[in-house]
Amino acid sequence: GDSVTQMEGPVTLSEEAFLTINCTYTATGYPSLFWYVQYPGEGLQLLLKATKADDKGSNKGFEATYRKETTSFHLEKGSVQVSDSAVYFCALRGNSGGSNYKLTFGKGTLLTVNP
Amino acid sequence: DAGVTQSPTHLIKTRGQQVTLRCSPKSGHDTVSWYQQALGQGPQFIFQYYEEEERQRGNFPDRFSGHQFPNYSSELNVNALLLGDSALYLCASNRQGVTNEKLFFGSGTQLSVL
Repeated sequence: GDSVTQMEGPVTLSEEAFLTINCTYTATGYPSLFWYVQYPGEGLQLLLKATKADDKGSNKGFEATYRKETTSFHLEKGSVQVSDSAVYFCALRGNSGGSNYKLTFGKGTLLTVNP
Repeated sequence: DAGVTQSPTHLIKTRGQQVTLRCSPKSGHDTVSWYQQALGQGPQFIFQYYEEEERQRGNFPDRFSGHQFPNYSSELNVNALLLGDSALYLCASNRQGVTNEKLFFGSGTQLSVL
């Protein structure tokens, strides 16, 4: 079945540092890939997505590229801020029949950014 | 637009009891999915409802059941609660049949089973 493996946390960075959170996946066919963010006490918010190979999703300075050859979708940001402190989830949505809106999530990576 | 709303926000139950969680989808959405997020884990898909029927189900026992009403709102019922059912339960909604439709999540119901 589908699965997502993402970098174990927690990750602690200083403000303006470079961020990478690794994510790899296993799925049949051509899944869509997502990064969600969860701030304390809140639900999940879509951060960015990519729906086909070599697509780059980007939002709020974050970006991730859909790499089919390495089955990866690593999240990057050039300069993190304290307000980026949150839990980040990599997820996929399979494209086989009947699974159009079912998301499979990784375990999440807690990011803490210190001033 | 109120987005996806869930109630209650917090709930405490004891083992063996039954619980009902409620979800109102975002305006214009007709499909509701439920996810269980255990502490320190990613959300896991429980099931999805569309046109008042369960359309997909994840790897959860029959103790987990649901319902969708004509106004598209939904309930998640869990019977014979176990300690391991303690988790954040998330509801998500979308419009059926729209390519690459974005999924909207509620803030969740935190269930504690003692």
